[in-house]
Amino acid sequence: DIVMTPTPLSLSVTPGQPASISCKSSQSLLHSDGKTYLYWYLQRPGQSPQLLIYEVSKRFSGVPDRFSGSGSGTDFTLKISRVEAEDVGIYYCMQGIQLPNTFGQGTKLEIK
Amino acid sequence: EVQLVESGGGLVKPGGSLRLSCAASGFSFSSYTMNWVRQAPGKGLEWVSSISSTSTFIYFADSLKGRFTISRDNAKNSLFLQMNSLRAEDTAVYYCARVRGYCGSDSCYAGPDYWGQGTLVTVSS
Repeated sequence: DIVMTPTPLSLSVTPGQPASISCKSSQSLLHSDGKTYLYWYLQRPGQSPQLLIYEVSKRFSGVPDRFSGSGSGTDFTLKISRVEAEDVGIYYCMQGIQLPNTFGQGTKLEIK
Repeated sequence: EVQLVESGGGLVKPGGSLRLSCAASGFSFSSYTMNWVRQAPGKGLEWVSSISSTSTFIYFADSLKGRFTISRDNAKNSLFLQMNSLRAEDTAVYYCARVRGYCGSDSCYAGPDYWGQGTLVTVSS
């Protein structure tokens, strides 16, 4: 199975400041179809996960543009340009190139 | 608006069975691969199963093969998860999710985009 390793596992951010989460996969997520199957999800407290970013850098419908994704191969980053109170929760990276789909253990974002 | 509503969870004894349902609306259900993903209390997310749009391709987590079955009824916009021989470690919130991507004969190349609110399955004596 592909192992997804996020860094850090937790972070505390002052509102208005940037935040960055990294995720490394144990295998390349680049498929022969040219797509890289890396996803980012946010699970707010008490809620189901919601998709933020798909295929490394594509923002999902309705996701604020302060969220951005980058990376390639095995190294990926989610950035929040200016953290807001509603961004609190657990961020998961997930690979979709191979079954079983595997998720990182999550990065907990708190507001200072 | 895409909506996914799970039902069928509850308390069941070890060795028992449950059938989860997911009612889909707001999109062309028959065109999408669907997933079940679970989350044990206080834990992370775990992929359970995928079923392609026409049920041609079905995949399960290795640890669940033989105990769980996934199916769908495209005429009724519904997804199902039949869970047998339940164990304490199956205790989790089970989410159904629409998948963005496609499945082939060897795997699915995809990830969930919309998720339901989840249904809690508790396996305990």
